[in-house]
Amino acid sequence: GQQLNQSPQSMFIQEGEDVSMNCTSSSIFNTWLWYKQDPGEGPVLLIALYKAGELTSNGRLTAQFGTTRKDSFLNISASIPSDVGIYFCAGQLHGQNFVFGPGTRLSVLP
Amino acid sequence: SQTIHQWPATLVQPVGSPLSLECTVEGTSNPNLYWYRQAAGRGLQLLFYSIGIDQISSEVPQNLSASRPQDRQFILSSKKLLLSDSGFYLCAWSPGGPEAFFGQGTRLTVV
Repeated sequence: GQQLNQSPQSMFIQEGEDVSMNCTSSSIFNTWLWYKQDPGEGPVLLIALYKAGELTSNGRLTAQFGTTRKDSFLNISASIPSDVGIYFCAGQLHGQNFVFGPGTRLSVLP
Repeated sequence: SQTIHQWPATLVQPVGSPLSLECTVEGTSNPNLYWYRQAAGRGLQLLFYSIGIDQISSEVPQNLSASRPQDRQFILSSKKLLLSDSGFYLCAWSPGGPEAFFGQGTRLTVV
């Protein structure tokens, strides 16, 4: 079946730094979603992307739908302690179920 | 606005006991509903999904079952829990479009 890879698996950054992470697939998707999960909570949808090349921002977060439709990128600018959590990407092809990546665990050091 | 409720938040059950986790969605009709399991430090594994009442599809054969007795109610069950059933269970709903929204999750520990 379809699988997504997320890179990096985990990262430790200093507060105030920018963060970049990506998600890649061996097959194409029509939609890319980015979620954040706080410890012990359900994932919360951050950004949804619907078109190849699309660039969408949500506050300090910016995500892009890769032009090949096989990847997506999430950037966080000027990180703060509450950015700590696991970031999941998910892809969907029309009429099929979502496929989730394994997550990128972000730690922010003060 | 739409909301999703999932309970209980935490559960400790002995091996061999039954399980029933419930999920309800408010503010929408005919949602697609999903049950996921998340092992510690891992990603999300889709267990069941439903596109309508009594329409359940299983993604992974296992010790669990799901039912949808009402349009906005999704139940995850087991007759006899195994140690390997421990994990974080998440219910999610989708309006049928390309977005999914999650509940708060249930932390299940089988002892």
